[in-house]
Amino acid sequence: NAGVMQNPRHLVRRRGQEARLRCSPMKGHSHVYWYRQLPEEGLKFMVYLQKENIIDESGMPKERFSAEFPKEGPSILRIQQVVRGDSAAYFCASSSRENTEAFFGQGTRLTVV
Amino acid sequence: QKEVEQNSGPLSVPEGAIASLNCTYSDRGSQSFFWYRQYSGKSPELIMFIYSNGDKEDGRFTAQLNKASQYVSLLIRDSQPSDSATYLCAAGYTGGFKTIFGAGTRLFVKA
Repeated sequence: NAGVMQNPRHLVRRRGQEARLRCSPMKGHSHVYWYRQLPEEGLKFMVYLQKENIIDESGMPKERFSAEFPKEGPSILRIQQVVRGDSAAYFCASSSRENTEAFFGQGTRLTVV
Repeated sequence: QKEVEQNSGPLSVPEGAIASLNCTYSDRGSQSFFWYRQYSGKSPELIMFIYSNGDKEDGRFTAQLNKASQYVSLLIRDSQPSDSATYLCAAGYTGGFKTIFGAGTRLFVKA
């Protein structure tokens, strides 16, 4: 009875490196959402995906950030050439349908040094 | 710009009291509303959702929705120190596909 699984839980990258964050939704869920939470702040929507499709990426920075949800395998949030300001907790959530309750993974805490 | 607004707090209540958390949303097109609890350093946990005007009760929690006023609230009865957390209000938008979160209200329940 696995919930939303994110890995790694903690990720340390040097400035300029790439960060890859993975999210496996709950069984039966085909909708995946990525959120970013800066220290002492609320959740900020980044991107909403269904299998093989990006539905809404209005919260994604225009450069360096990309996301995918392939037919097979987990959803990936990719951050290229990371900077210190990318340090945050990145949460993935999944739902069975749009506009219904979403369940969160444990998050990936990215630290850029 | 669709927004969900919450008072950041902190809201401090004594043990056993009723904690009242409030939230407003800007887009009348939103149709589903959620309350999540987030302990420090942890992921958000869904505790209530409400779709229709009125009250919805689940144990010590009551969610209230007033679409005319674009207002959502969460009442926690018999507050316990273990209820101390940040409470996130969220609104789902049909057609917009994404759930918008407020910044959260910090609740402290004093023993």
